[in-house]
Amino acid sequence: EVQLVESGGGLVKPGGSLRLSCAASGFTFSHYSMIWVRQAPGKGLEWVSSISSVYNYIHYADSVKGRFTISRDNAQNSLYLQLNSLSAEDTAVYYCARDLRPGHTSSWYGDSWGQGTLVTVSA
Amino acid sequence: EIVLTQSPATLSLSPGERATLSCRASQSVSIYLAWYQQKPGQAPRLLMYDASNRATGIPARFSGSGSGTDFTLTISSLEPEDFAVYYCQHRSGWPLTFGGGTKVEIK
Repeated sequence: EVQLVESGGGLVKPGGSLRLSCAASGFTFSHYSMIWVRQAPGKGLEWVSSISSVYNYIHYADSVKGRFTISRDNAQNSLYLQLNSLSAEDTAVYYCARDLRPGHTSSWYGDSWGQGTLVTVSA
Repeated sequence: EIVLTQSPATLSLSPGERATLSCRASQSVSIYLAWYQQKPGQAPRLLMYDASNRATGIPARFSGSGSGTDFTLTISSLEPEDFAVYYCQHRSGWPLTFGGGTKVEIK
């Protein structure tokens, strides 16, 4: 069974940093591209960042570019998102998701999702 | 950036009725569009991908159509568990974007 478990969320002051983790199990993690999506309280879904399975191609939303860093450790079956220079606008539940397709032909659709981790940015 | 506009914002229907949800893209995304369902307190669930392909385990009452800029998600006969928020998402270039969502509520 595919499982994705996010952790690392919490309350942080404006300007602070957090590192989110996503532990994967039940599939060959290294074969799949991965995606981070966030959802502000009561709002819709917002794509944040993606990392490919091959060559580690990386993309960011403009709203987080230069502040957030996505990475993966295939040996640890883990995905990460480093959040720096946080502001209130970054308050959201952060979800990691697995790409629909394995291999180099990423679909960039999320077919399996974690339960999310809440990041709250407040003084 | 491709903007996805979903309509209506809210759809009030009764169980057994047909639901028709729309997603319009600001420029062509070919067939590269997905639909997700999200219930309160839960993660999104992939329903459809590449406009008309049902994801694994999705019931046949869900169907998707469209290409280019206009897409439709149809639920042929609403079941009680289908009342939720539905989002579309494109993968036709970066950045990926989601629509604002359509809430299907019980009338």
